[in-house]
Amino acid sequence: AQSVTQLGSHVSVSEGALVLLRCNYSSSVPPYLFWYVQYPNQGLQLLLKYTSAATLVKGINGFEAEFKKSETSFHLTKPSAHMSDAAEYFCAVSGRLSGGSYIPTFGRGTSLIVHP
Amino acid sequence: ETGVTQSPTHLIKTRGQQVTLRCSSQSGHNTVSWYQQALGQGPQFIFQYYREEENGRGNFPPRFSGLQFPNYSSELNVNALELDDSALYLCASSANQGSRNEQFFGPGTRLTVL
Repeated sequence: AQSVTQLGSHVSVSEGALVLLRCNYSSSVPPYLFWYVQYPNQGLQLLLKYTSAATLVKGINGFEAEFKKSETSFHLTKPSAHMSDAAEYFCAVSGRLSGGSYIPTFGRGTSLIVHP
Repeated sequence: ETGVTQSPTHLIKTRGQQVTLRCSSQSGHNTVSWYQQALGQGPQFIFQYYREEENGRGNFPPRFSGLQFPNYSSELNVNALELDDSALYLCASSANQGSRNEQFFGPGTRLTVL
């Protein structure tokens, strides 16, 4: 069984401020973890993924996330927010189906609001 | 390289009707997954097709069915539509059942059931 909890349905920051989006996961097996971004009226785009290599994962657009097994967390950060970062962000944990494929379970999402 | 495309973009149906949504996978991808994203929620896995066979299914009733064609494009069919079926339906393609590989999402089909 696997699940994801995203703390805070909305996060508001000023342009140039630190972005921190929180994600805690539950998984009965070593997890693969993902962050996706969704802009209005668009599909999801992968920001970064953790697949048991380095615990600090760097992604696109200046985002990074750190896998902390002891805290079962995979928080997403960006040092300086840009107006174009305003979007919906989804954390996902991937578990293996019996057929061998990996299907992500998504959190409910966090809406990032960036103020000028 | 063409990305994942979905049609139609928007669709309005009435309760009890049937609907077919279509997805063209990205070039070189043999796996297609379908998700339902209700307003304000994360995507929920419906099912996955790998080389024309259903490879896994989420917690959705049998009136949600699908197909994958030899060119790896896919259809999602929903019978006896209910009001709660109103959502954004996302298709995602990947290579080799996804594994650690990235799923590439299409823009979605917005279904409204009245």
